[in-house]
Amino acid sequence: GAGVSQSPSNKVTEKGKDVELRCDPISGHTALYWYRQSLGQGLEFLIYFQGNSAPDKSGLPSDRFSAERTGGSVSTLTIQRTQQEDSAVYLCASSLQSGTGYYGYTFGSGTRLTVV
Amino acid sequence: GESVGLHLPTLSVQEGDNSIINCAYSNSASDYFIWYKQESGKGPQFIIDIRSNMDKRQGQRVTVLLNKTVKHLSLQIAATQPGDSAVYFCAEMGDYKLSFGAGTTVTVRA
Repeated sequence: GAGVSQSPSNKVTEKGKDVELRCDPISGHTALYWYRQSLGQGLEFLIYFQGNSAPDKSGLPSDRFSAERTGGSVSTLTIQRTQQEDSAVYLCASSLQSGTGYYGYTFGSGTRLTVV
Repeated sequence: GESVGLHLPTLSVQEGDNSIINCAYSNSASDYFIWYKQESGKGPQFIIDIRSNMDKRQGQRVTVLLNKTVKHLSLQIAATQPGDSAVYFCAEMGDYKLSFGAGTTVTVRA
């Protein structure tokens, strides 16, 4: 597609429920990243994919968070047993490749998650 | 113009004036530095980047300055317009991922 697409754009869920957030990267982009942005804060790295593998999961806050990527394209971030502190905007970005250098890192508009 | 010597979270600028937004980065080994603009309800948008072997780069109405000695990055916006109102983030590119600094909210006064 023309840009990085994320769905849903907004999600309100009850505490304790599981949620899935989806990211469609730019076609041909091999690297994909998930970030979290709490209200009024900067971007916190969660996980990075190169192709379908995730060499760096160091930013995932707890084992309730997981992500997968299939076919080198779509990625899903899953949060199990959501807590109120999970409320944030979850941003996805993709780039042409990874490695030292800047390869057109492009962000989607994010999913705003509210846990009530 | 108006500027921020040290990083401050907010900057109020008169329309037509120049703005300067400052950022300190942490990793002296970072090879690329990028400025992003984030408008309400949107993801960050690329503004301009600079490689570590440069100290200045100009774009349309924007200039980025890099001072590696003190690990400092700045973004200058010429003739600030109402559409420039947004949150601005600097980011440094490590081996494969971007690390972001704290943002600066720029408000343009008419």
